[in-house]
Amino acid sequence: NAGVTQTPKFRILKIGQSMTLQCTQDMNHNYMYWYRQDPGMGLKLIYYSVGAGITDKGEVPNGYNVSRSTTEDFPLRLELAAPSQTSVYFCASSYRDSQEEYFGPGTRLTVT
Amino acid sequence: RKEVEQDPGPFNVPEGATVAFNCTYSNSASQSFFWYRQDCRKEPKLLMSVYSSGNEDGRFTAQLNRASQYISLLIRDSKLSDSATYLCVVRRGINTGTASKLTFGTGTRLQVTL
Repeated sequence: NAGVTQTPKFRILKIGQSMTLQCTQDMNHNYMYWYRQDPGMGLKLIYYSVGAGITDKGEVPNGYNVSRSTTEDFPLRLELAAPSQTSVYFCASSYRDSQEEYFGPGTRLTVT
Repeated sequence: RKEVEQDPGPFNVPEGATVAFNCTYSNSASQSFFWYRQDCRKEPKLLMSVYSSGNEDGRFTAQLNRASQYISLLIRDSKLSDSATYLCVVRRGINTGTASKLTFGTGTRLQVTL
């Protein structure tokens, strides 16, 4: 199993551009999450999904959108990128709500 | 007040030393507790869950004090490979059909030296 994979690893965006961060898991997990991690701050939940077709906002959803058309994939869309979205983005998944979350390797995004 | 608070460190200890990290949480409705480990520029990985009765996994011991809303991690016989950031993580509530909220502390950095 590859676990949780994320692409790209690194990206530089100009202000106002858009992009999609890809996340795929091959563990047949129902729950998937997107977090961002800023220097000196804890991980913040952006969006999560409890299954295909179901998504919900986390703590910091503004400026982002998600979709969950399959169990495996949970892409994160940034529209109109802003410097405040410069961060490291982690995708994670778990089989059930209360179980261990497995994280992908992260995407380092810089918006200039 | 932050929902989960940790001393950021760094804790610099010699190899073989015993080191302890503490974490406090503010929401008394928190139900599950974990320690995750994060290496530099890597993703967090689960180190261990924390149970009310306390639990041990090799050189690592975790304890929970619900009355004081306090979690601890003890590392005995520190190894160079233990150098990392240790994240205190608290899960609040479980609601049917939605994900419960996992709150991460900012982490405590440990550097083990020769």
